[in-house]
Amino acid sequence: DIQMTQSPSSLSASVGDRVTITCQASQDISNYLNWYQQKPGKAPKLLIYDASNLETGVPSRFSGSGSGTDFTFTISGLQPEDFATYYCQQYDNLPQITFGGGTKVEIK
Amino acid sequence: QLQLQESGPGLVNPSETLSLTCTVSGGSISSSYYYWGWIRQPPGKGLEWIGSIYYSGSTYYNPSLKSRVTISVDSSKNQFSLKLSSVTAADTAVYYCARHRAGGSYPTDYWGQGTLVTVSS
Repeated sequence: DIQMTQSPSSLSASVGDRVTITCQASQDISNYLNWYQQKPGKAPKLLIYDASNLETGVPSRFSGSGSGTDFTFTISGLQPEDFATYYCQQYDNLPQITFGGGTKVEIK
Repeated sequence: QLQLQESGPGLVNPSETLSLTCTVSGGSISSSYYYWGWIRQPPGKGLEWIGSIYYSGSTYYNPSLKSRVTISVDSSKNQFSLKLSSVTAADTAVYYCARHRAGGSYPTDYWGQGTLVTVSS
């Protein structure tokens, strides 16, 4: 099974900051990686698919990059509504799905 | 607008079978462009994929749960269902039903609101 290591598990940041979260796969997953945002008591929301594609309706301050085993998620200019937990998720072998452990973005 | 709604008991006795149904509205479950899945989240913890189903009935399960999980689809009712047998307290979680787009990274683009299932006597 493919393991996903997401880091950091939590971070503190201020409005306007640039925030970066990484996700590492235990083996090559090409670009089969997605990023989600989850707010307390709510279902996750898809932000980025196929590693770098912005989901329709998602603000352009969210971006993703990477391929193979190393992936990065960036928020360029953190907004108050962005304080949430973010998860990476990989797909392999149609469909085996694994989530990263999550990164909680808190207000500094 | 597509909507997914989970339904089923909120309390299940240990060793019994957890049963949930997801009703899909605003779109057809029989579309070839999507898979339908279940994902759970224990209180205060991360997300765990349980399994997914295609409208044809093909199923795909998390290897760690495979021996206890059955997912089925009822296209006539636009519903799909989850059964998890021999539950323990470790199965207490919010259970989400969701839609995956077929192809690429199979992104999960629609989610139900989630339903808390507690395993306790």
